Amino acid sequence: DTAVSQTPKYLVTQMGNDKSIKCEQNLGHDTMYWYKQDSKKFLKIMFSYNNKELIINETVPNRFSPKSPDKAHLNLHINSLELGDSAVYFCASSQLTGGAKNIQYFGAGTRLSVL
Amino acid sequence: GNSVTQMEGPVTLSEEAFLTINCTYTATGYPSLFWYVQYPGEGLQLLLKATKADDKGSNKGFEATYRKETTSFHLEKGSVQVSDSAVYFCALSGGQAGTALIFGKGTTLSVSS
Repeated sequence: DTAVSQTPKYLVTQMGNDKSIKCEQNLGHDTMYWYKQDSKKFLKIMFSYNNKELIINETVPNRFSPKSPDKAHLNLHINSLELGDSAVYFCASSQLTGGAKNIQYFGAGTRLSVL
Repeated sequence: GNSVTQMEGPVTLSEEAFLTINCTYTATGYPSLFWYVQYPGEGLQLLLKATKADDKGSNKGFEATYRKETTSFHLEKGSVQVSDSAVYFCALSGGQAGTALIFGKGTTLSVSS
């Protein structure tokens, strides 16, 4: 069983479209994250949810909206896609309480290409 | 703010060579430090971690020691293999960084036989 799974793995779409990326974790963790990896492989946090509550919301265009229906899922919806949104998006999860020391487990990534 | 600086790549080595990838950090509070590895076309995997000063993390022959006096967490391996070819990321979390991981820019390692 994959611990953190994202769908789709690849997403090719036109500028102006709206798309969603889904993420699910079966590790029982209480916190989930979205990171963006640009073409130079630089990784940066976008959002984080703890027990379905938004705790990190970095400087990200409001075209990006995360949604966490429950602790095991964190989806990312993107409106009016732009060329600059092309990147690899990674979902991650961790357990903040206990001795886990916030070790984050990552999904395989979603490569978004906006044409 | 908090930040991580790691050596620029690419690093190109022959099999069985010694590897060092330098990583230094700036942080307030007491962050945890991590090395993650990204193999081609895959997600990030935790390679090793250290949560307090003088801790040594180790895994798969890789080691790194949390040095608070030099704010460093250098990655080392005594004898690299072709299968170690990947991108390596140093990261920190905690302290004022909060729960998000702050990553260095990544170092690409290429090992040839």
